[in-house]
Amino acid sequence: GQNIDQPTEMTATEGAIVQINCTYQTSGFNGLFWYQQHAGEAPTFLSYNVLDGLEEKGRFSSFLSRSKGYSYLLLKELQMKDSASYLCAVYNTNAGKSTFGDGTTLTVKP
Amino acid sequence: DAMVIQNPRYQVTQFGKPVTLSCSQTLNHNVMYWYQQKSSQAPKLLFHYYDKDFNNEADTPDNFQSRRPNTSFCFLDIRSPGLGDAAMYLCAISGTSNNEQFFGPGTRLTVL
Repeated sequence: GQNIDQPTEMTATEGAIVQINCTYQTSGFNGLFWYQQHAGEAPTFLSYNVLDGLEEKGRFSSFLSRSKGYSYLLLKELQMKDSASYLCAVYNTNAGKSTFGDGTTLTVKP
Repeated sequence: DAMVIQNPRYQVTQFGKPVTLSCSQTLNHNVMYWYQQKSSQAPKLLFHYYDKDFNNEADTPDNFQSRRPNTSFCFLDIRSPGLGDAAMYLCAISGTSNNEQFFGPGTRLTVL
């Protein structure tokens, strides 16, 4: 089975930087995804990490350490529209599917 | 243009009355997924198709069935909806099972 842990809620200020952590325990790991989901909408893909290290994509970066079972999503220059739920999903090659964490609800305040 | 289309966006049904939700895609991706998502919870995978190969999750109730008549379309049938089945139902596609998933807008199901 898989166990994926993320903080339930986080709050940050507009213009600041926030780091959302995700830890996982799984066999057959073969990639970690981050998705953004605004309230009442479908998740949208943000990033994919399969090798250790940092992947940067504009204001968003994602980091992976496979040995530690750890990832984070880093959001810079926060904007009000970044208020959303951020879902970590781990792909398990043995199961042939991804499993989602419960998500971290980020609130950006002025 | 939308890659994953779900109809209807909102569905209201009565307790025990069968309902069918539909999903179509414009990318000819091999894998199609159905998820159930309740408020403040993770999307819960119900089943997925890899081409015509059907993969049912062990904890998906028998009340939920799926059909994929061709590459583009996939249906979710709820044979006897209960109050606990009220949720957002998300359809997603991916090129292969370890690729990122593209989600449709979802169908919000209300059971009266």
